[in-house]
Amino acid sequence: DQQVKQNSPSLSVQEGRISILNCDYTNSMFDYFLWYKKYPAEGPTFLISISSIKDKNEDGRFTVFLNKSAKHLSLHIVPSQPGDSAVYFCAASFGGSNYKLTFGKGTLLTVNP
Amino acid sequence: GAVVSQHPSRVICKSGTSVKIECRSLDFQATTMFWYRQFPKKSLMLMATSNEGSKATYEQGVEKDKFLINHASLTLSTLTVTSAHPEDSSFYICSASLTKYSTDTQYFGPGTRLTVL
Repeated sequence: DQQVKQNSPSLSVQEGRISILNCDYTNSMFDYFLWYKKYPAEGPTFLISISSIKDKNEDGRFTVFLNKSAKHLSLHIVPSQPGDSAVYFCAASFGGSNYKLTFGKGTLLTVNP
Repeated sequence: GAVVSQHPSRVICKSGTSVKIECRSLDFQATTMFWYRQFPKKSLMLMATSNEGSKATYEQGVEKDKFLINHASLTLSTLTVTSAHPEDSSFYICSASLTKYSTDTQYFGPGTRLTVL
């Protein structure tokens, strides 16, 4: 029973364009959402997060949008750069916690020069 | 940023043997460490949470007698897969946090690929 779903296993975009990575969740008790980025042979690194009291959080080129009614969040990267090519994991938790994260399967983003 | 290492990166063992995986925080003291498992085409699943000097808390469905976790120091946690079987073949990844407060960021290791023949 997948509580956090990333339905696109891969995404390919051109350098300079926008990358949109999507994530859906089923558990309405989740109130904190995170995105992690993972390069090959490295562990996931924290990218950006959002609390359920917000609908948008921005950090430089990265913006996360949360639509609670649709149980959907998305990560926008603009402009996309070749160095952004990695696997992106969506994760969710309860109580604003960074612990007990429930992860999606990840989406492989490839940014072509 | 905070660096977490894991050793070994890959291990192949025979069925019935035990395998130990080490997780080290290299440049910070980790009060809390986590162990995850990822099966092929599945997501990362939390196995257990451990605080330095105390027993690990295991997630539902994870056998504590099979997956022994030791967090003896603030920079080292070990996961021992006892009497490994082919179904234990998986990607094991650890993470570490500075404090035991749940708002702390987790820093992940690169993972260990375990193959049990």
